[in-house]
Amino acid sequence: NAGVMQNPRHLVRRRGQEARLRCSPMKGHSHVYWYRQLPEEGLKFMVYLQKENIIDESGMPKERFSAEFPKEGPSILRIQQVVRGDSAAYFCASSPRADWNTEAFFGQGTRLTVV
Amino acid sequence: AQSVTQPDIHITVSEGASLELRCNYSYGATPYLFWYVQSPGQGLQLLLKYFSGDTLVQGIKGFEAEFKRSQSSFNLRKPSVHWSDAAEYFCAVGAPGTALIFGKGTTLSVSS
Repeated sequence: NAGVMQNPRHLVRRRGQEARLRCSPMKGHSHVYWYRQLPEEGLKFMVYLQKENIIDESGMPKERFSAEFPKEGPSILRIQQVVRGDSAAYFCASSPRADWNTEAFFGQGTRLTVV
Repeated sequence: AQSVTQPDIHITVSEGASLELRCNYSYGATPYLFWYVQSPGQGLQLLLKYFSGDTLVQGIKGFEAEFKRSQSSFNLRKPSVHWSDAAEYFCAVGAPGTALIFGKGTTLSVSS
């Protein structure tokens, strides 16, 4: 059983381009969380999704950021018109059920660099 | 406000010496507490977690942590540090079905 898979591992984008980050949860996991880690900071919650539903997006910036978790395929975190401040490591975690804290597994992250 | 404080940004310990990483939290409900480790360029690996019961929790790699409700603390300990333990350590707090709140992390360096 493969772990949480994130791709790409590294992504470089020019200012104004779009970034698409993918997260494939562990098999059987239908709950996905996205976190952002800025340099010298801990992880900050962004969004919590279940299949086809956004449950909590209180940590998502109001503009340019969106997330989805379709019925089939990976969860996608999309950042439009990237700016230098978006440079960070983005992690996703998955869990088989809502009380996810009991079994949460993190991916290795996508490191986004905006030039 | 809910928060996690890791007072030590960077700690250096000699190989073979004991280690204690501090974590204090502020949380409205009874918290679930976690320690994660992150090696350079890697994701987070769960070391241990506390939900209820015995306040001394054993984890992987020889780590343990003690929950002290009166002090709102969940300090991580290891009796003898190995060079491979050099990494960044994060304390986190949460409740079922909610997002975890992370501290800013403590970087551990191990000297020979």
